[in-house]
Amino acid sequence: GAGVSQTPSNKVTEKGKYVELRCDPISGHTALYWYRQSLGQGPEFLIYFQGTGAADDSGLPNDRFFAVRPEGSVSTLKIQRTERGDSAVYLCASSRELTGGLTGELFFGEGSRLTVL
Amino acid sequence: QKEVEQNSGPLSVPEGAIASLNCTYSDRGSQSFFWYRQYSGKSPELIMSIYSNGDKEDGRFTAQLNKASQYVSLLIRDSQPSDSATYLCAVSGFDRGSTLGRLYFGRGTQLTVWP
Repeated sequence: GAGVSQTPSNKVTEKGKYVELRCDPISGHTALYWYRQSLGQGPEFLIYFQGTGAADDSGLPNDRFFAVRPEGSVSTLKIQRTERGDSAVYLCASSRELTGGLTGELFFGEGSRLTVL
Repeated sequence: QKEVEQNSGPLSVPEGAIASLNCTYSDRGSQSFFWYRQYSGKSPELIMSIYSNGDKEDGRFTAQLNKASQYVSLLIRDSQPSDSATYLCAVSGFDRGSTLGRLYFGRGTQLTVWP
């Protein structure tokens, strides 16, 4: 596809349920990022992948959150035992790999709005 | 802890004026800097990237970077009502020796351009 695709665009769930959010990055982008954004705040880093491996998962808030990217393309963010505080917009972004220690431009998908009742 | 601070808003300018948005960052090792525009209810959209000290111009937008002062700014010339949005500053950091850096975002500055 031309851009980053995220599904679902909206998800309403009950406290304690399990949720999966999917991201399909721009073709050819090796880096994939997950952020979440609450109202009035900037995006908060969760995890990023280089290829299939998680290069940095230090932003995941606790062990209820997990993300995979098994084939180096599509990624799934998984949230177990959801809590009301997990409600936010979950943004996925992808970028090219640059050399020289530079970070490529991140292109964001439209986000998945998660509401935990 | 890497931090990105943006000038508090909201910022309001008349149509045709220059809007100036500022950002400071705490990590001297940061090498990649970005400005994103975010309309209400939408995802961030990349406006500018800058990697070297100095100015970078793209149409009505100019990004300025001063690594010694750990400061990056965005100027919007001839501001239009359609520029009304929240502007996010993003700065890279490096963790675990990775060649790709995670981006740290500021809270954003809300800009309103009135006709």
